[in-house]
Amino acid sequence: GAVVSQHPSWVICKSGTSVKIECRSLDFQATTMFWYRQFPKQSLMLMATSNEGSKATYEQGVEKDKFLINHASLTLSTLTVTSAHPEDSSFYICSATNSLGGGYTFGSGTRLTVV
Amino acid sequence: GIQVEQSPPDLILQEGANSTLRCNFSDSVNNLQWFHQNPWGQLINLFYIPSGTKQNGRLSATTVATERYSLLYISSSQTTDSGVYFCAVGGNTPLVFGKGTRLSVIA
Repeated sequence: GAVVSQHPSWVICKSGTSVKIECRSLDFQATTMFWYRQFPKQSLMLMATSNEGSKATYEQGVEKDKFLINHASLTLSTLTVTSAHPEDSSFYICSATNSLGGGYTFGSGTRLTVV
Repeated sequence: GIQVEQSPPDLILQEGANSTLRCNFSDSVNNLQWFHQNPWGQLINLFYIPSGTKQNGRLSATTVATERYSLLYISSSQTTDSGVYFCAVGGNTPLVFGKGTRLSVIA
């Protein structure tokens, strides 16, 4: 079945630094990927839609200069949290449409802690 | 946008009991998925079920698209079923998640 690999699983960084999260589709091509954020005990909220070869589309209230998305190939999308602050600490998870059918496939998520 | 409501928000079950989780949505959809989020945060896809009924072991799901709701049935619950169950829906759009049902199964 379709697999989306996400790395790292967890990361701790200092305030003011940047962190890159990778999301790869392993056995299918994903022209579109989606990035979600989940705060503790809350639901998943869509942050942005990542399109291969073009600019990402951000949801209202999500700072595009802070959350940089690059989708340079059909199998890789990256999310870079720039100048991270403690309030950016969250669980970030990516997904892609399963071209084999059966809806969306999700990565395993990245737990970011900014200290 | 599409609104998704899940009920109940919290549920405590004795091991072996059955339960039904509900998902109501506000608009027509062509994608509906049920997920189980484990304690490590990983989303496990349970069902892709925009309509009809499916079963997988002790779990089954039914979506009545014309009435805009879906039900997830858990039978003979086990402690490993504990976690958060999310319903997520979409049209030709990314999935929108409900707030989830937090299930605790106690031995």
